[in-house]
Amino acid sequence: EVQLLESGGDSLQSGGSLRLSCAASGFRLSTYVMNWVRQAPGKGLEWVSGISGRGGTTYYADSVKGRFTISRDDSKNTLYLHMNDLRGEDTALYYCAKTRSYSFDYGLDVWGQGTTVTVS
Amino acid sequence: SYVLTQPPSVSVAPGETAGISCGGNSIGTKSVHWYQQKPGQAPVLVISYDDNRPSGVPDRFSGSNSGGTATLTISRVEAGDEADYYCQVWDFGSDHYVFGTGTRVTVL
Repeated sequence: EVQLLESGGDSLQSGGSLRLSCAASGFRLSTYVMNWVRQAPGKGLEWVSGISGRGGTTYYADSVKGRFTISRDDSKNTLYLHMNDLRGEDTALYYCAKTRSYSFDYGLDVWGQGTTVTVS
Repeated sequence: SYVLTQPPSVSVAPGETAGISCGGNSIGTKSVHWYQQKPGQAPVLVISYDDNRPSGVPDRFSGSNSGGTATLTISRVEAGDEADYYCQVWDFGSDHYVFGTGTRVTVL
């Protein structure tokens, strides 16, 4: 069964750093585009960052560029989001999501249950 | 930056048809994907590439993308369809995924 399991969420103060993890099972993470999507309390979905399956090209939302870094460890089949200089507006439920293919122009067909980040 | 606009809410009686619009600049040139999100749950892909249903999605869900607007249509609406729905595209101009503002579907 294809699954994604996020971890690493925490409550911390503004300016702090955190690393989120997303463990994949049932598929090879390096074959697909992988993403982080967040949802602030009571708000809509916001794409945060994505990494391509081939070559590992990375992209970021303007709101996090320069502060967040997406990476993956293919040997552990795990996706990461390194977050620095956290702000109150980063408070959200962070989802890991798999794209249906190696290209970004596909829908996100598998999602984790999310991990919560609270910045005060 | 690219923006996708959806109506905040749609209300529909059981058994009727609900249509959710998604507007964006030249959206007809992009591939639109749709997600259903029920309270306390992760989003679920219900339509990909404008009008394709992933395995397991009921055929009551359909999509279209023409005339400057993408539309998700839910036929024979059931109480279990009550949820938030989001459209989404990949914007090649900015290399960003963009989600729509979201539409809450209420079944009367």
